[in-house]
Amino acid sequence: NAGVTQTPKFQVLKTGQSMTLQCAQDMNHNSMYWYRQDPGMGLRLIYYSASEGTTDKGEVPNGYNVSRLNKREFSLRLESAAPSQTSVYFCASSESSRAQYFGPGTRLLVL
Amino acid sequence: GENVEQHPSTLSVQEGDSAVIKCTYSDSASNYFPWYKQELGKRPQLIIDIRSNVGEKKDQRIAVTLNKTAKHFSLHITETQPEDSAVYFCAASRDNYGQNFVFGPGTRLSVLP
Repeated sequence: NAGVTQTPKFQVLKTGQSMTLQCAQDMNHNSMYWYRQDPGMGLRLIYYSASEGTTDKGEVPNGYNVSRLNKREFSLRLESAAPSQTSVYFCASSESSRAQYFGPGTRLLVL
Repeated sequence: GENVEQHPSTLSVQEGDSAVIKCTYSDSASNYFPWYKQELGKRPQLIIDIRSNVGEKKDQRIAVTLNKTAKHFSLHITETQPEDSAVYFCAASRDNYGQNFVFGPGTRLSVLP
């Protein structure tokens, strides 16, 4: 039981490049989330998916898109990376009214 | 929407002493309050949670108290150990979905030997 997995673990991009962060969970959770964590800013919600087939914007969605591919997988896409998107990205999943479980994170550096 | 404040932002205690971190929330409809511990370079991990129908919950050296009237909840760690050093985040949620799950800014706890 791997829990929540994320790929890649680390990525360096140049400004304007695109990339997709992958997330998968094997806990049969309905809800999945993408957060970014910057120093001193805590965790900020980018997008979430309450259930398969639905996605909604969080606190900081600009510059990102998401796809809930199936119940297990939730991807985050940066279409044109900017230095302001340098951050650590965490994926999480949960069952309704229960705690969220986080993946190991992806460290993204945009030059 | 929900707003969660957390104090203090940093806390240093001597090994064996107690540590208390307090969070306040703004949405009186929030009913679920988890606490996460994040060690350096690691993912946040749930350590304890409480629901609004309960005033206090304990798990070994960790306890959480909730005051719904004042809209605040606190994390209490007793007999602190060096491995308790980490950043602790509180959160408040109405139904654990998306926008309604808001994290506090975190408290960096250092336990000094």
